[in-house]
Amino acid sequence: KAGVTQTPRYLIKTRGQQVTLSCSPISGHRSVSWYQQTPGQGLQFLFEYFSETQRNKGNFPGRFSGRQFSNSRSEMNVSTLELGDSALYLCASSLLGEQYFGPGTRLTVT
Amino acid sequence: DQQVKQNSPSLSVQEGRISILNCDYTNSMFDYFLWYKKYPAEGPTFLISISSIKDKNEDGRFTVFLNKSAKHLSLHIVPSQPGDSAVYFCAASANGNAGGTSYGKLTFGQGTILTVHP
Repeated sequence: KAGVTQTPRYLIKTRGQQVTLSCSPISGHRSVSWYQQTPGQGLQFLFEYFSETQRNKGNFPGRFSGRQFSNSRSEMNVSTLELGDSALYLCASSLLGEQYFGPGTRLTVT
Repeated sequence: DQQVKQNSPSLSVQEGRISILNCDYTNSMFDYFLWYKKYPAEGPTFLISISSIKDKNEDGRFTVFLNKSAKHLSLHIVPSQPGDSAVYFCAASANGNAGGTSYGKLTFGQGTILTVHP
């Protein structure tokens, strides 16, 4: 079974721009969660989608948004990028309790 | 407020010996606990999990122990191998068995760097 895939793997953007990241979950998994990893804050939960609905949201500003499609694929969008948004963005899919992570997208904001 | 804490930033162990990684939590709603292994610039790899209705779970060389009264869990790796060298994260979630639900949200500790020397 194929694992979680994320595209792109690396991205460089300029402050003020917006970015869209994509995540394809493991086949059959309907829940997709997004996390941000930075050296200072560790792994922080952004939001979770299930059956195209956001069920849970972390403590991030409204510039961070997401959506899920009918095939369970998910996208997250960050608008008006700030330097502090530079991070590894991880998505994870789950069927029951365990979450399985993708390789992440490394976003650098200059 | 850090609800999941790994107080040891690093641990160094000789190959063949036991590695013990520790994790403490404060939120009584947490009822499901997981351990992940992570290499730089990669996503975390799931290792083992335990529900709050159990106090021990084994999978090969990995055993997780849960002490609910102390709000403490530990991961034992026996025997340790050089390939086990990585950052280990414990994570917790509230799946409804302890009165709260946090759909799809894992709360992570800060991680412990494990180095296994040949």
